[in-house]
Amino acid sequence: EVQLVESGGGLVQPGGSLRLSCAASGFTFSSYEMNWVRQAPGKGLEWVSYISSSGSTIYYADSVKGRFTISRDNAKNSLYLQMNSLRAEDTAVYYCARANDYGESGSVYFDYWGQGTLVTVSS
Amino acid sequence: DIQMTQSPSSVSASVGDRVTITCRASQGISSWLAWYQQKPGKAPKLLIYAASSLQSGVPSRFSGSGSGTDFTLTISSLQPEDFATYYCQQANSFPPLTFGGGTKVEIK
Repeated sequence: EVQLVESGGGLVQPGGSLRLSCAASGFTFSSYEMNWVRQAPGKGLEWVSYISSSGSTIYYADSVKGRFTISRDNAKNSLYLQMNSLRAEDTAVYYCARANDYGESGSVYFDYWGQGTLVTVSS
Repeated sequence: DIQMTQSPSSVSASVGDRVTITCRASQGISSWLAWYQQKPGKAPKLLIYAASSLQSGVPSRFSGSGSGTDFTLTISSLQPEDFATYYCQQANSFPPLTFGGGTKVEIK
């Protein structure tokens, strides 16, 4: 069974930092691209960042570029999101999501999601 | 960036009703579109990928259609467990990957 379990969320002051983790199991983690997607309270879904299976290709949403860093450790079956210079508008539930292209090279569909971890940025 | 626009933003329906949700892309995305269902306090769940392919384990009352810029999610006979918020997502052009604003399906 595929499982994604996020951790590391919490309350942080504006300008602070936080590191999220996502532990993967039930599949060959090193074979899959991974993403972070967030959802502000009462709002819709916002894609945050993507990392290829090897970690060689990385993308960010403009809203977090230069502040957030995605990484992975395939030996530990883990995905990370280092969040610096946090702002109130970063308050959200952060989900890690596995990408699947279903044979359509270049496409990204999110076929499995974690339960999410809440990040609250407030003084 | 490709903008995704869903309509309506909410719909009230009864059990057994046929429900249709529309998603429009700001530019052509071929068939590279997904639909997700999200219930309160839960993670989204993939229903449809490649515009019309049903994800494994998803009931056949869910169907997707469309290509280019206009797409539709149809629930043929609404069940109590289908009351949720639905999102479309373009999977063609990134970064960024983008979602529609969501459609809340409520009990009439």
